[in-house]
Amino acid sequence: QSALTQPASVSGSPGQSITISCTGTSSDVGGYNYVSWYQQHPGKAPKLMIYEVSNRPSGVSNRFSGSKSGNTASLSISGLQAQDEADYYCTSYTSSSTRLFGGGTKLTVL
Amino acid sequence: QVQLQESGPGLVKPSETLSLTCTVSGGSISGYFWSWIRQPPGKELEWIGYIHYSGSTNCNPSLKSRVTISVDASKNQFSLKLSSVTAADTAVYYCAREVPTPYYMDVWGKGTTVTVSS
Repeated sequence: QSALTQPASVSGSPGQSITISCTGTSSDVGGYNYVSWYQQHPGKAPKLMIYEVSNRPSGVSNRFSGSKSGNTASLSISGLQAQDEADYYCTSYTSSSTRLFGGGTKLTVL
Repeated sequence: QVQLQESGPGLVKPSETLSLTCTVSGGSISGYFWSWIRQPPGKELEWIGYIHYSGSTNCNPSLKSRVTISVDASKNQFSLKLSSVTAADTAVYYCAREVPTPYYMDVWGKGTTVTVSS
């Protein structure tokens, strides 16, 4: 199984909004609403930011939102802040009941 | 709240078996999937596999022939064995709790670094 496709990097200035895409196939992203997003700061464990495409866990800022269209899921961050600078990974349930991660996107806050 | 802690040797020789344990504290093994994920230095996360508290397992097809995941509910622990390791298996290994349907990992261990070297 190939990793889900994410852009290697995105950037934005403080206060701006950015979107990170995550493209799969009809056997994973497109076939199920079981897409989640994780934030990872250097040297730290990943942290759940979005689950089930667009749901936010308690404690996650409402500046983070998720959506999906076809085989592509997206994570949007509004009002960028310095602490948002991190790596972001999407993951999806698959038709084989396995899990598939994206290649990761490095977010730089300029 | 629930916390996870990975433990095991930090150095494994090539061709040997990597063995890690994840201890679950503050909660029960029951009702969840328990996963292993790894991250080679400077690279992306890779899902290794999971075990359901009932004992059923599934794993990454690329690792399937080398992976064994088991659970010891009496100790609130689950374990990973990866056989015939090579330098490519050098990574930070994370354990995580996964919520069944809609399948998301809500609690992660801090990770443990495993280096494969003679």
